[in-house]
Amino acid sequence: QVQLQESGPGLVKPSETLSLICTVSGGSMSSYYWSWIRQPPGKGLEWIGHIYYSGTTHYNSSLRSRVTISVDTSKNQFSLKLNSMTAGDTAVYYCARRSDYYDSSGYYWNWFDPWGQGTLVTVSS
Amino acid sequence: DIQMTQSPSSLSASVGDRVTITCRASQSITGYLNWYQQKPEKAPKLLIYAASTLQTGVPSRFSGGGSGTNFTLTISSLQPEDFATYYCQQSYNTPPTFGQGTEVEIK
Repeated sequence: QVQLQESGPGLVKPSETLSLICTVSGGSMSSYYWSWIRQPPGKGLEWIGHIYYSGTTHYNSSLRSRVTISVDTSKNQFSLKLNSMTAGDTAVYYCARRSDYYDSSGYYWNWFDPWGQGTLVTVSS
Repeated sequence: DIQMTQSPSSLSASVGDRVTITCRASQSITGYLNWYQQKPEKAPKLLIYAASTLQTGVPSRFSGGGSGTNFTLTISSLQPEDFATYYCQQSYNTPPTFGQGTEVEIK
């Protein structure tokens, strides 16, 4: 089955850029949207953005000015860059696949599954 | 953005109890509602999509219902492995948004 694994630094200095990679194994990236979602310690989940396997992106407006998501299907990877990091960006960062389904009635459904295990990123000098 | 509000924020229950968690959307999302379970230090796990469809492998004691703005997640007989935090998520439009979570604790 498809598995996702995040990788990147656990500590980032204020004002610097976070770079994370999500490696997809056990399946193709084709025909799916690939998302980044974060969770500050003890808090809820925030969708950062996603990229279609072909490269089309969509970002949360709250982060749009600071975020870039890219994809490299030849490596089965997609990546997140978040610049101008502050303490408020300290969180566990998850990558996830958005699964889409068209039912027999023509309705379109989607959900996040599977998820990576998550990686804690702390912003501190 | 669509706001998702869960209630209660936390609850205490015993093994065998029937537990219901509510999720309310700030506007109609028809049936575009998913539920996830998250255990400490773990990633969320999909339980239910399209408001009431059980993900493959999820025990039948979990069920989802509702439409429009009001949704429920019910655990018919709470098991020890069900103590976790539960999140709802709307997939009606972008950005997808999550509820703040409901922590189910052992009484």
